[in-house]
Amino acid sequence: DQQVKQNSPSLSVQEGRISILNCDYTNSMFDYFLWYKKYPAEGPTFLISISSIKDKNEDGRFTVFLNKSAKHLSLHIVPSQPGDSAVYFCAASGLGSARQLTFGSGTQLTVLP
Amino acid sequence: SAVISQKPSRDICQRGTSLTIQCQVDSQVTMMFWYRQQPGQSLTLIATANQGSEATYESGFVIDKFPISRPNLTFSTLTVSNMSPEDSSIYLCSVVKGGEQYFGPGTRLTVT
Repeated sequence: DQQVKQNSPSLSVQEGRISILNCDYTNSMFDYFLWYKKYPAEGPTFLISISSIKDKNEDGRFTVFLNKSAKHLSLHIVPSQPGDSAVYFCAASGLGSARQLTFGSGTQLTVLP
Repeated sequence: SAVISQKPSRDICQRGTSLTIQCQVDSQVTMMFWYRQQPGQSLTLIATANQGSEATYESGFVIDKFPISRPNLTFSTLTVSNMSPEDSSIYLCSVVKGGEQYFGPGTRLTVT
């Protein structure tokens, strides 16, 4: 049973436009959510996180939105750049911080120049 | 942040053999994790390794298959024992520091 789901395995976006990556979860005990970016032959790199007490967190071009009632979060990248092309993993934790993470299956984002 | 290195970066091994993966962190950390990413799938937690205690394994993973050592606060090893082709994966070491989790570059294992 997948507790964190990323239903879109891939997404292509034109450079300069907005990229929206989606993630759904089923476990009500999750209270901390993260996005990681992974390039080939590298480990995942932390991108942005959000606690369940918030519904939005912004860091430069990256914004994460959390809808607790829908058990849904999304990552917005504006404007998208070719260097953003990578696999993006959504992750969740029930411990209030980034411990014992449960990961989604990832979305391959391709930003076209 | 934390800088993590892993050795080897990749290996091709024969069925029935064992491989030990090393993880080195540039600073002392309490919590260290080992993950596996099978082809086309998500990262799955194998075990949590805290210094001075036995590793805690997740459901579906056992110590006989994946023995872990954690001799100090900057180093850990994961052994993949009696390998089969189903063990072909990327194995990642991870640590928690400053409330965030950081990952090593991974070890790509292919079992033939």
